[in-house]
Amino acid sequence: AQSVTQLDSQVPVFEEAPVELRCNYSSSVSVYLFWYVQYPNQGLQLLLKYLSGSTLVKGINGFEAEFNKSQTSFHLRKPSVHISDTAEYFCAVSDQDGATNKLIFGTGTLLAVQP
Amino acid sequence: DAGVIQSPRHEVTEMGQEVTLRCKPISGHDYLFWYRQTMMRGLELLIYFNNNVPIDDSGMPEDRFSAKMPNASFSTLKIQPSEPRDSAVYFCASSPPPGTTGKETQYFGPGTRLLVL
Repeated sequence: AQSVTQLDSQVPVFEEAPVELRCNYSSSVSVYLFWYVQYPNQGLQLLLKYLSGSTLVKGINGFEAEFNKSQTSFHLRKPSVHISDTAEYFCAVSDQDGATNKLIFGTGTLLAVQP
Repeated sequence: DAGVIQSPRHEVTEMGQEVTLRCKPISGHDYLFWYRQTMMRGLELLIYFNNNVPIDDSGMPEDRFSAKMPNASFSTLKIQPSEPRDSAVYFCASSPPPGTTGKETQYFGPGTRLLVL
């Protein structure tokens, strides 16, 4: 069985500062990894995903994430945040070899960008 | 493509009433997922379909919940009778078939915000 842990429920940060949102996963098989973003009163939108290859993945809105297999982590980073980045961020994992596209989500991290 | 479409966007009902939530997946997608999001429990997978067939309904809370997918372009999630604890945001998502680009990615609808009084 797979699981995802997002240790930080909320991350306050000032505008233009860098930010890192942490994600650790547990799985006995190879996985795909995802970050989704949910803006207030909206659905989830794919931010970026790791399937294979380069461990550094770049996504939309200047975000990037690095897959670290030895530490079973997939932390999300942005060098300089904007007020508009205020949202809930969800890390998710799926089984690479599974017969389905079932995702396991973390509990989410609220990124609160302050002026 | 218009993306995943859900209706209604908001629903307010009284305890005991039947509630039906609707979802139209992205054309060509053969996986459809229903999720529930609450502050207490986060994002929960309720049920998912492949080619209109329910594959895993282990997340459905109880017999009051039922879901159907009569064809590739329409699915419903029904709650009968509804209770205040069912108040949540319900999301529908779809994903492409195996062997296609983006097959591993789920695309979410805007959600239905349900309030049961």
